[in-house]
Amino acid sequence: GAVVSQHPSWVICKSGTSVKIECRSLDFQATTMFWYRQFPKQSLMLMATSNEGSKATYEQGVEKDKFLINHASLTLSTLTVTSAHPEDSSFYICSAIRSGHVNEQFFGPGTRLTVL
Amino acid sequence: TQLLEQSPQFLSIQEGENLTVYCNSSSVFSSLQWYRQEPGEGPVLLVTVVTGGEVKKLKRLTFQFGDARKDSSLHITAAQPGDTGLYLCAGASGNEKLTFGTGTRLTIIP
Repeated sequence: GAVVSQHPSWVICKSGTSVKIECRSLDFQATTMFWYRQFPKQSLMLMATSNEGSKATYEQGVEKDKFLINHASLTLSTLTVTSAHPEDSSFYICSAIRSGHVNEQFFGPGTRLTVL
Repeated sequence: TQLLEQSPQFLSIQEGENLTVYCNSSSVFSSLQWYRQEPGEGPVLLVTVVTGGEVKKLKRLTFQFGDARKDSSLHITAAQPGDTGLYLCAGASGNEKLTFGTGTRLTIIP
């Protein structure tokens, strides 16, 4: 159990377009999900905390108007990269905390975004 | 800002050798986790340590949490090519958020 999926697994888009990435907890409910980005050969950097039914909490330096997060249900959070530019190209990874299991985050397989 | 420094950053050793990866911080964490990540995939949890001084073993992998809960180590015995990957430590501070370490890229040469 505790499987997290992401869709799409990779996406290529033109500069100026918006891209939506989905994060789903397949077999458990998650009141809290996290979004990370990872540049090549680097570690994961937390972008924001996604809370079901409320606004996301963004880390310092992350533009909330550029990276829109919606956590509309206990199994789905979405990250929309608006007006994407080449510098937004990265590996985006989500994680989910199974309700009642605070110390365990389960990670999705990641989404590779390439902005041309 | 909490920082988790891992050392070494890169490590390439022969199959069968032993190795230790370190994860150090000046901050105290309520728990610390170790992950392994393959290229193009998300991190996979290996272990969570919670108590200062705690030692956990997972087959050939031994994890230790420092007494002060500021540092941790991962020791691999008789490394195998399947151990190749990016190893990440991550500290939790009680608010569910994780701070990831800088990462150690391990390559085991057959």
